[in-house]
Amino acid sequence: DVKVTQSSRYLVKRTGEKVFLECVQDMDHENMFWYRQDPGLGLRLIYFSYDVKMKEKGDIPEGYSVSREKKERFSLILESASTNQTSMYLCASSLFLGGEQFFGPGTRLTVL
Amino acid sequence: QKEVEQDPGPLSVPEGAIVSLNCTYSNSAFQYFMWYRQYSRKGPELLMYTYSSGNKEDGRFTAQVDKSSKYISLFIRDSQPSDSATYLCAVPGWGTSYGKLTFGQGTILTVHP
Repeated sequence: DVKVTQSSRYLVKRTGEKVFLECVQDMDHENMFWYRQDPGLGLRLIYFSYDVKMKEKGDIPEGYSVSREKKERFSLILESASTNQTSMYLCASSLFLGGEQFFGPGTRLTVL
Repeated sequence: QKEVEQDPGPLSVPEGAIVSLNCTYSNSAFQYFMWYRQYSRKGPELLMYTYSSGNKEDGRFTAQVDKSSKYISLFIRDSQPSDSATYLCAVPGWGTSYGKLTFGQGTILTVHP
């Protein structure tokens, strides 16, 4: 059974702080994804990674960076958090690109 | 034009009703479509997967594709309170978007006992 875990369910940060969101998957998937989910806008892809140390920008990469040093771990970094980055962040992994994605429970980030 | 669009609802129905959830898509080259279900405070989970060539049934759920109008539908028969969730359609990326899934906005469904 695929399991994707995220480091925090809820996080509150101040404007300007550097924020790290961690995601770990246990099924040896090649591909990992970071989305944010906002009411009325649905899921929007921030970044994805198809291999260790490889990354591709998604639809809304501005203000974010990612790190994938190990296959099972994919980190999302907010270099300088802003209030418009308050959102639900979801991590996912997949065996095949374009295939079924398995999601974590999400991190609700609030930036004050 | 967005690759996939979905009416966000919300949709509220009584228990036992037939529910119809719909999305429109822009690229006739899409080969398959997905429906995800997301319960409150959880991540989305794949509910159904259907190819553009036809329909698929799984228990009370039927996914349908109308290629001529670029319309995909998810029908829920005999809806139950446990079906209350957000339903998201998704299409696979094409060309420069290969590898990505593009999700609709999601429809919030509530089934009343």
